[in-house]
Amino acid sequence: KAGVTQTPRYLIKTRGQQVTLSCSPISGHRSVSWYQQTPGQGLQFLFEYFSETQRNKGNFPGRFSGRQFSNSRSEMNVSTLELGDSALYLCASRGTGPNTGELFFGEGSRLTVL
Amino acid sequence: GENVEQHPSTLSVQEGDSAVIKCTYSDSASNYFPWYKQELGKRPQLIIDIRSNVGEKKDQRIAVTLNKTAKHFSLHITETQPEDSAVYFCAASWSSGYSTLTFGKGTMLLVSP
Repeated sequence: KAGVTQTPRYLIKTRGQQVTLSCSPISGHRSVSWYQQTPGQGLQFLFEYFSETQRNKGNFPGRFSGRQFSNSRSEMNVSTLELGDSALYLCASRGTGPNTGELFFGEGSRLTVL
Repeated sequence: GENVEQHPSTLSVQEGDSAVIKCTYSDSASNYFPWYKQELGKRPQLIIDIRSNVGEKKDQRIAVTLNKTAKHFSLHITETQPEDSAVYFCAASWSSGYSTLTFGKGTMLLVSP
């Protein structure tokens, strides 16, 4: 079974630009969540999607948005990039059913904002 | 919201020693506590988790203990090996929101041969 796939793996943008990151979950997983990882703040929850609906949102500004498609693939978008948005963005998928807590992470998209 | 504190931030041990990482959480509604291991340049991977109806869980050389009254939980690794070197993250969540994890800031474990 293929794992969680994220694209692109690396990207460089300049301040003020916008970026879209993509995530393909494990087949059959309907929950997709996004996390931002930085050396100073660790892993911080951005949002979770389930069956195309945003279920939860973390404490990030409105510049961070996302969506999920009918095939469970998800995208996140960051507009008006700031230097502080430089981070590793991790996507994770989760199966459904009781006691299914494990998150399966992708390898991440490393964003550098210059 | 939930807040998870993790200590120590770095931990160096000799191969064969035991390692203990401790976390505290603030939200008494949290009832799911996973631990993730992230090797350098790789994705985080779940190594063990515990739910609030259980006080301890073991899986070979790793174990997790939970004290709901004190709101803290710990990861114990026995007979450490160099391949245990990684960053370990604790996290907390409530059962209806497994994907909404609040992570600790991580512990870098270095196991020296």
